[in-house]
Amino acid sequence: GIQVEQSPPDLILQEGANSTLRCNFSDSVNNLQWFHQNPWGQLINLFYIPSGTKQNGRLSATTVATERYSLLYISSSQTTDSGVYFCAVVSGGGNKLTFGTGTQLKVEL
Amino acid sequence: EPEVTQTPSHQVTQMGQEVILRCVPISNHLYFYWYRQILGQKVEFLVSFYNNEISEKSEIFDDQFSVERPDGSNFTLKIRSTKLEDSAMYFCASRSRSSYNSPLHFGNGTRLTVT
Repeated sequence: GIQVEQSPPDLILQEGANSTLRCNFSDSVNNLQWFHQNPWGQLINLFYIPSGTKQNGRLSATTVATERYSLLYISSSQTTDSGVYFCAVVSGGGNKLTFGTGTQLKVEL
Repeated sequence: EPEVTQTPSHQVTQMGQEVILRCVPISNHLYFYWYRQILGQKVEFLVSFYNNEISEKSEIFDDQFSVERPDGSNFTLKIRSTKLEDSAMYFCASRSRSSYNSPLHFGNGTRLTVT
């Protein structure tokens, strides 16, 4: 099956800093989503972005499907951004999401 | 905005007991899913369900697991005889159509603890 690797695995930021999270996948994809898992375990949908660039407030995402990666940008980070960020993809003829390994982000004051 | 609703939010059960986790997908959605996440690990696919039957399942989804859509709104996951290693967060998700250009919407999860 498709492999989805995220980097870095862990990241510590000072409040106000910017960061870029990366998601690499091993095969062509038809669907890609970014999620934020908050400290209560809830999966918050950030972006549905199989290709192109989208922005939502301080967050933006870019997927370059032909090169098999996606990036999530967080600007002016806040402590509430802490948690785990997952990318997840649908590949081939399937309809299930395969999740990546996640990036654990901690934003400190 | 419509949401996927899961109940209960927490469930504690003894090893060997049966549990049923409940989900109400978004009303006009056609595809339904269960995922699980063992503490500290990534989210894993269990099963997908369409047109009242399982469309795909993972190796994790063995004979101890079953899913059902008993009426027009609920979607349930049953674990027949729970084991300690079934302790995890279980997420339900739904999607509006089969075409690739539609996102999955996830519920808030049920945290299952098997003692």
